[in-house]
Amino acid sequence: QKEVEQNSGPLSVPEGAIASLNCTYSDRGSQSFFWYRQYSGKSPELIMFIYSNGDKEDGRFTAQLNKASQYVSLLIRDSQPSDSATYLCAVSTQGGSEKLVFGKGTKLTVNP
Amino acid sequence: DTEVTQTPKHLVMGMTNKKSLKCEQHMGHRAMYWYKQKAKKPPELMFVYSYEKLSINESVPSRFSPECPNSSLLNLHLHALQPEDSALYLCASSQDRMAEMADTQYFGPGTRLTVL
Repeated sequence: QKEVEQNSGPLSVPEGAIASLNCTYSDRGSQSFFWYRQYSGKSPELIMFIYSNGDKEDGRFTAQLNKASQYVSLLIRDSQPSDSATYLCAVSTQGGSEKLVFGKGTKLTVNP
Repeated sequence: DTEVTQTPKHLVMGMTNKKSLKCEQHMGHRAMYWYKQKAKKPPELMFVYSYEKLSINESVPSRFSPECPNSSLLNLHLHALQPEDSALYLCASSQDRMAEMADTQYFGPGTRLTVL
């Protein structure tokens, strides 16, 4: 059974702080990793994807992947109230149009 | 443009009704997906179409019937649903590069379905 684990939170940070969201996965063969943001009542929106070990930065967001330890994280710098949402980690072991296994999501609240 | 559209936005139906959900994308993507999402849960994959052929069926009950008329359109036909089928139904699409790494999937806004 392939599993993706996330701390459900809620994670609460003050505005301007760094929010750190973590995700662990059970299948060592996992190759592709995605972070989605989902506002309440809306659909998931892609934030970032990462395939290789190390860091990948896009604006205020940094994804970090450590395949040896089987974890992937998302850092949000200078957190804003508009970042308040549920963040979903998704993992795939195969290429192309294959199944993504989603974690249950971490609810983030950024307090003004 | 990474837009996937879905209609209707909201749907209320009785257990004896037949209805259809529609999804459309014009990004040239060749894979399309149906997901079901219950409140406070992650999306659950239902079906995947790759190059207009059904490639994944996650053991979904037959009261849900997918159809892919062409590479831009995806339908989900609903018949004899149960109240527990009430959920947000999400469509997604991806390039289907058949590469080593998984495609990035782009989600539509969803259809909020209520079964009475």
